[in-house]
Order: sequence, then C-alpha cells, then structure tokens
Amino acid sequence: GDSVTQMEGPVTLSEEAFLTINCTYTATGYPSLFWYVQYPGEGLQLLLKATKADDKGSNKGFEATYRKETTSFHLEKGSVQVSDSAVYFCALGTSGGGADGLTFGKGTHLIIQP
Amino acid sequence: NAGVTQTPKFQVLKTGQSMTLQCAQDMNHEYMSWYRQDPGMGLRLIHYSVGAGITDQGEVPNGYNVSRSTTEDFPLRLLSAAPSQTSVYFCASTPPGTKNIQYFGAGTRLSVL
Repeated sequence: GDSVTQMEGPVTLSEEAFLTINCTYTATGYPSLFWYVQYPGEGLQLLLKATKADDKGSNKGFEATYRKETTSFHLEKGSVQVSDSAVYFCALGTSGGGADGLTFGKGTHLIIQP
Repeated sequence: NAGVTQTPKFQVLKTGQSMTLQCAQDMNHEYMSWYRQDPGMGLRLIHYSVGAGITDQGEVPNGYNVSRSTTEDFPLRLLSAAPSQTSVYFCASTPPGTKNIQYFGAGTRLSVL
C-alpha cells in the first residue's frame, strides 16, 4: 500500500540556519504530494503541494520539488525563524475507491532556537 | 466562515463509556474525514464521507461509528470506549474540485481511563 517516510525528529536548528526535512514515498500511480504544518495546540494546515513530477511547491519561504525518479519530496527553507517551530507532515494524496484521504508520514518536530 | 469546528476540545472517559465527537463545517464541503493522531504514528484515517448519506471506512475504523445526515455535520461515535482510543482526533473537510487539500479542525484530545 501507499506509505510516506520522513526523517524522525526532533530537529533543532539555530535561527537563520538552512533547513531540509527529508520525505520519500511509496505509491501506485502518480499521487499528489503535500507538506502540512501543525503549530502547537492547533490542527494541521496545508503548507505547500505539488501535483506532478518536477512540480515545485512553495509558500512562506518553504519549497519542495516532486522528484519521481527518487520518489522524494524534501522540504527546504533557506533561513528559518523561531516562528517556524512546529511539526511538519509529509503526505500523499490517495484517490482509490472514492476515498480522497491523505496518507501521512509520522511527522518531524522542528525546534528553532534564537 | 468559522471553518471546521470540533467539540469538545478535551474529554476524559472511563472504559466502556460512550460519547460523540462533534464536527461541523460551514463551507459547504462535500468531503469530510476523521483522523486520529498518536505519538510516532502520524495521522491515520478512521472514516470518511463523500457527501450526505454516504460514509466509508478508512485505515483504522474499528470501535468507531459515523453518520452524515447533513452536509455540515460529521459526528464520530465511540460506543464503548477503550484505553487504546486515547488519542487526539481531527476532523477535516475538502473543498469541491481541490483534491486532497484538507482543512482541519483544532482537534479533540480524548483520554480513556
């Protein structure tokens, strides 16, 4: 079945550091790929998405490129801020049998220190 | 628009008790779903609905029931709570024509003793 693997956390960085959170997937067909972010005490919010190979999703300084050849969708940001501290989830979209759900990775807890 | 509203925010139950987690959205979204979030497990799909009167099982449906009598509401019922159902529960909805993009509620934190 479909699955998503992302690096385990917590990941601790200093402010203005470069961020990479790795994500790889296993899926049949050509799924859409997503990054969702969860701030403390809140539900998940869509951060960015890509719907086909070589698409680059971007938002709030974050970006990720859909790499079909390596089945990856790594999240990057050039200079992180304390306000980026959150849990980040990589997900792929499924559509079999009428379901429109998401298959999530386990989440990566990011901590940014001033 | 209030978005996706979940109630209650916190709940403590004893083993064997029943309760209903409420979820409502005012965005006229057809697709709604319930997830549970457990440490180290990410989110797992419990049940989903593609419209009023239609529901189906997700990855972990055992111990949970759902119904969808209106477009706005999608309650999740625990008929006989078990400690294994201690979790944070999220409801989500998807706008029509935007596949897989889901709007999440703030969650319900449930403890079963």
